[in-house]
Amino acid sequence: GAVVSQHPSWVICKSGTSVKIECRSLDFQATTMFWYRQFPKQSLMLMATSNEGSKATYEQGVEKDKFLINHASLTLSTLTVTSAHPEDSSFYICSARSIAGGNQETQYFGPGTRLLVL
Amino acid sequence: GQNIDQPTEMTATEGAIVQINCTYQTSGFNGLFWYQQHAGEAPTFLSYNVLDGLEEKGRFSSFLSRSKGYSYLLLKELQMKDSASYLCAVMDSNYQLIWGAGTKLIIKP
Repeated sequence: GAVVSQHPSWVICKSGTSVKIECRSLDFQATTMFWYRQFPKQSLMLMATSNEGSKATYEQGVEKDKFLINHASLTLSTLTVTSAHPEDSSFYICSARSIAGGNQETQYFGPGTRLLVL
Repeated sequence: GQNIDQPTEMTATEGAIVQINCTYQTSGFNGLFWYQQHAGEAPTFLSYNVLDGLEEKGRFSSFLSRSKGYSYLLLKELQMKDSASYLCAVMDSNYQLIWGAGTKLIIKP
């Protein structure tokens, strides 16, 4: 089946630093990738939709200058949390939508990246 | 390797009951989640089970058996709006989420 990986799995950083999270589709190509935040036992909150080769579309209330998204290839999207603060501590999950035949609506989710900002 | 299995698609009738099964093999276990996802929307949290047994929340119930690596989501009094994909996800020993591929539930009148 389709696999989505995220790196790193865990990040602990000091307040004010920037953190980059990678999301890769390992065995399929994805024109669209999604970035979510999740707080404990809550629904995934969509932050932005990333399309390969174009600017990301951010959801209302998500600061695009703080959460920089780059989708440079069909298998890689990155989320950079700039000048991270403790309130940015969360579980960040990406997903990728396959373009190779089958159900175009199927999203494959990554394992998540835990960010703790001290 | 780590693996989550759930049926690809299920069909049920409005007003009826449906059970969506999920079996898992993971390195460690820190809980099992069920999410509902309508097309084009973000997954919505339904339930979290970490201990064996049945958790009931309105029309939805979730069951877990850790010894069997098995869970199910039970939906009662089905409504047309319950047509969606249902995702099973297990948190492993590293607190990473292992996702099932999702079960597309089709509700017919």
